Amino acid sequence: DAGVIQSPRHEVTEMGQEVTLRCKPISGHDYLFWYRQTMMRGLELLIYFNNNVPIDDSGMPEDRFSAKMPNASFSTLKIQPSEPRDSAVYFCASEGAGGLDEQFFGPGTRLTVL
Amino acid sequence: QQPVQSPQAVILREGEDAVINCSSSKALYSVHWYRQKHGEAPVFLMILLKGGEQKGHEKISASFNEKKQQSSLYLTASQLSYSGTYFCGTPAVDSGGSNYKLTFGKGTLLTVNP
Repeated sequence: DAGVIQSPRHEVTEMGQEVTLRCKPISGHDYLFWYRQTMMRGLELLIYFNNNVPIDDSGMPEDRFSAKMPNASFSTLKIQPSEPRDSAVYFCASEGAGGLDEQFFGPGTRLTVL
Repeated sequence: QQPVQSPQAVILREGEDAVINCSSSKALYSVHWYRQKHGEAPVFLMILLKGGEQKGHEKISASFNEKKQQSSLYLTASQLSYSGTYFCGTPAVDSGGSNYKLTFGKGTLLTVNP
């Protein structure tokens, strides 16, 4: 298995632009998590899905952030409009059924908003 | 609530031992440990469950004190490859009791020098 796939790996954009991050989880995994990592705030959970259904989005910073999972093999995290404080590394992770198990992280997307 | 890790950083020489601690203000039924090397994604190390069950890494040991709501990671005879940031994660179950999310501590930076 190729593991969790994220794209793009790096994104540089200007303030006000729309940014879309993509994630393909490991086949057969039921859970998908979106995390954001910064030096100041560490590794924060933004939202997670179970069987394509959003379960908890309490970590989404504000309405500028949205996430979708239209099917079991694809998820997006969108920021519109982007701001410099959104600069961070965004990780997607997936996990098999049942919870309380190993999460497999993707390589991350390093986002820089100028 | 975010678990608290200590120390924040530790520097070792190859072959020395280290202990990384993780404590929570709430009752725990499991503790999850991950390691992140610089510029890479977090990688699963182990899960410690109530009752003493442990799933994961064979060469790194850990303990879980449910009453004290603490866990410790023991890195013995450290190798250069052990360098990285170690995170503990504690689960929070949703109101339905069937899904959970991890809250990670801020991490402990471990540097192993030759």
